[in-house]
Amino acid sequence: LAKTTQPISMDSYEGQEVNITCSHNNIATNDYITWYQQFPSQGPRFIIQGYKTKVTNEVASLFIPADRKSSTLSLPRVSLSDTAVYYCLVGEDDKIIFGKGTRLHILP
Amino acid sequence: DTAVSQTPKYLVTQMGNDKSIKCEQNLGHDTMYWYKQDSKKFLKIMFSYNNKELIINETVPNRFSPKSPDKAHLNLHINSLELGDSAVYFCASSQVGVNQPQHFGDGTRLSIL
Repeated sequence: LAKTTQPISMDSYEGQEVNITCSHNNIATNDYITWYQQFPSQGPRFIIQGYKTKVTNEVASLFIPADRKSSTLSLPRVSLSDTAVYYCLVGEDDKIIFGKGTRLHILP
Repeated sequence: DTAVSQTPKYLVTQMGNDKSIKCEQNLGHDTMYWYKQDSKKFLKIMFSYNNKELIINETVPNRFSPKSPDKAHLNLHINSLELGDSAVYFCASSQVGVNQPQHFGDGTRLSIL
């Protein structure tokens, strides 16, 4: 089983900021937190990765509190094309385990 | 340039047949993977190879046999196909290390009649 827990689905509107929170209470000291995005009929695509505090790239921001037991993926000003499944992962016994992800649906 | 490419994209065949799916990556990565995504969209790792050596072999029937002729290729051969093998199979690659971002192909949709 994946070490992460995230909402099954979320709805939002175009132009809004979307925050998806993931719980990983048993994260190990050497685990990084990685987020992937998957569109229908495509493979998952790496979005962002972090270890602690905040990481930002051209696509998203990742907020990680000091205890690292959770993380929040922030998507600024979403558009219809951001409709996808978002996976939060941490390393586990030398491999990555994908959970069921969060199905994000952006409405016009 | 396609980073991770899989062929074929679609595969429709009958129960009992043997089929292969090919995967190639041009990213220079040392690690390659095969995943299975079933109808419930749950993505499960099947195998991981590091520089042509098997690293991870999850609980997969021995009808599934991965083969890595070189570190840029990881093919998946499936014998005696069963109805439950219907799924989308994804190939991926990464640098060595569990925290390295993985690059996925677009999948092969296998349908067993």
